[in-house]
Amino acid sequence: NAGVTQTPKFRILKIGQSMTLQCTQDMNHNYMYWYRQDPGMGLKLIYYSVGAGITDKGEVPNGYNVSRSTTEDFPLRLELAAPSQTSVYFCASNEGQGLTLWYGYTFGSGTRLTVV
Amino acid sequence: DAKTTQPPSMDCAEGRAANLPCNHSTISGNEYVYWYRQIHSQGPQYIIHGLKNNETNEMASLIITEDRKSSTLILPHATLRDTAVYYCIVRVFTGTASKLTFGTGTRLQVTL
Repeated sequence: NAGVTQTPKFRILKIGQSMTLQCTQDMNHNYMYWYRQDPGMGLKLIYYSVGAGITDKGEVPNGYNVSRSTTEDFPLRLELAAPSQTSVYFCASNEGQGLTLWYGYTFGSGTRLTVV
Repeated sequence: DAKTTQPPSMDCAEGRAANLPCNHSTISGNEYVYWYRQIHSQGPQYIIHGLKNNETNEMASLIITEDRKSSTLILPHATLRDTAVYYCIVRVFTGTASKLTFGTGTRLQVTL
């Protein structure tokens, strides 16, 4: 039972480079999320998806893009890396039922990204 | 969206109960209180959640005041491995999505 798997675990990018952070879950969860966490701060939502083919912006979407072609995968794309995107990125998923049937999030172990 | 207020840090001796408070005075009737913790930059880990009644599981207990404006997470016998940042979260429900909003949490340091 792998849960939520993120790759890579660490990455150093140069300013202006692009990369894709991978996220895969094997729990057949409909809802998936991308968060970023700056040092000493809480998590901020970047993008989320309620199912294959459906994505929406979170609190801090600028500079990022996502896609959700399958239930399992939710990659996060950085097109032109900037130093402000240096952060730890967490992917998460949950079943996302209604108001009363809500299950806890499962988080991946994170990707530590440094932009220099 | 209901906001939460937590003390930035707390200390607890190993073996003693750790009581972590959280204020959420603007919580609405259908919003749940969730607690997560994050150990040393790992992904956050779900602990417990509740609506009105007190809840207990194998990790912790959650006490919610009658007016629901505050709650307390109780770790009954804290160990060194409980040293972490603890987040009190009120679930935000928007349309068909259910999002968690994380604040800065309480950094709990368990000491010998």
